[in-house]
Amino acid sequence: QVQLVQSGSELKKPGASVKVSCEASGYSFTMYAMHWVRQAPGQGLEWMGWINTNTGNPTYAQGFTGRYVFSLDTSVRTAYLHISSLKAEDTAVYYCASDLYGHFEYWGQGTLVTVSS
Amino acid sequence: EIVMTQSPATLSVSPGERATLSCRASQSINSDLAWYQQKPGQAPRLLIYGASTRATGIPARFSGSGSGTEFTLTISSLQSEDFAVYYCQQVNNWPRTFGQGTKVEIK
Repeated sequence: QVQLVQSGSELKKPGASVKVSCEASGYSFTMYAMHWVRQAPGQGLEWMGWINTNTGNPTYAQGFTGRYVFSLDTSVRTAYLHISSLKAEDTAVYYCASDLYGHFEYWGQGTLVTVSS
Repeated sequence: EIVMTQSPATLSVSPGERATLSCRASQSINSDLAWYQQKPGQAPRLLIYGASTRATGIPARFSGSGSGTEFTLTISSLQSEDFAVYYCQQVNNWPRTFGQGTKVEIK
């Protein structure tokens, strides 16, 4: 069955970096686009952008440029979200989600990133 | 950017009753709308796509309708497991945008 398995929770200090992974199984990895979604504590869902799993080309939503990088390693069917220069307001759960026809059919379980000194 | 507005913010419903959730788009999105359910501590789950097509494994008590700018998610007879937050999302244009969510709580 289709699964997206994300890396575990992270506790980071302000200014540090974090890399969240999302390993896909059960489908052809390069057929589905991969999106990233942020959910701050007690808040709604915020689309961060997506990466074309065929070409590796990323697209970032407004507000997620500069410190955020989407990348892939197709050999291990994994997408990555790298956030640098972490701030307290980056504290959130980050989800990966795959998309074949536009809607987000499959979701990872989420990775909690906590930024605190 | 297309703004998605959901109403109400909170809906109090008794088990067995019908729940009707609304979602409005700031411009026409045809039928390019999805609904997701999210329970506490869990990832969102796709319920409806194409405004009215149930995703695999979704019970028939969930139905979606609408096109253009006005959409509705109806839960015909609420079960205990349906109390959750529901989000709509437009997939017609970039950036993809979500509504702010409707919390369905037990009355």
